[in-house]
Amino acid sequence: AQTVTQSQPEMSVQEAETVTLSCTYDTSESNYYLFWYKQPPSRQMILVIRQEAYKQQNATENRFSVNFQKAAKSFSLKISDSQLGDTAMYFCAFNFGNEKLTFGTGTRLTIIP
Amino acid sequence: DTGVSQNPRHKITKRGQNVTFRCDPISEHNRLYWYRQTLGQGPEFLTYFQNEAQLEKSRLLSDRFSAERPKGSFSTLEIQRTEQGDSAMYLCASSSGTSGGRNEQFFGPGTRLTVL
Repeated sequence: AQTVTQSQPEMSVQEAETVTLSCTYDTSESNYYLFWYKQPPSRQMILVIRQEAYKQQNATENRFSVNFQKAAKSFSLKISDSQLGDTAMYFCAFNFGNEKLTFGTGTRLTIIP
Repeated sequence: DTGVSQNPRHKITKRGQNVTFRCDPISEHNRLYWYRQTLGQGPEFLTYFQNEAQLEKSRLLSDRFSAERPKGSFSTLEIQRTEQGDSAMYLCASSSGTSGGRNEQFFGPGTRLTVL
């Protein structure tokens, strides 16, 4: 079975600080795709960052970066210089070679002014 | 292009009634997905279409659920004889490009269903 675990239901951090959200998974697949999605309050889900499992280099998108540890099956998201607009639910999600996304349970992140 | 749209945004119904939701994907996106999200959980996959063909259905999609994408554009999700356990947010997403799972899925705002 393929599972995705986000062990931090809620986190909060002061504006401008750095925060890391954790995600672990289990799969027997060798190639897959990893995503972090953001769901702001009462707004639709949007893609934050994407990583391909066969690429060793960690993906970076402006203030967002990932730490992908394939052997440990870990995929964390780091948000630098956090902003009030980063307040949202964050979901890690995986595509294990088919067309559907498998999501974790999410981390509710609050940025404190 | 205004993104993925879903209608209605909210639906309240009584147990046993039938409901139908509509999803309009981004123009020319050939793949369309339905997910269900309950409170405190991440979205769970229900089904997906490539053009008009329904290629995969989750075990979550009981016989009371049916989805269509008749002309490869918009899609409808119907729930017959609704139950209180059907109360959830129903999300639609679309994507384009080659298959294999690397493509970004663009999500709509969802339809929140409440079954009384």
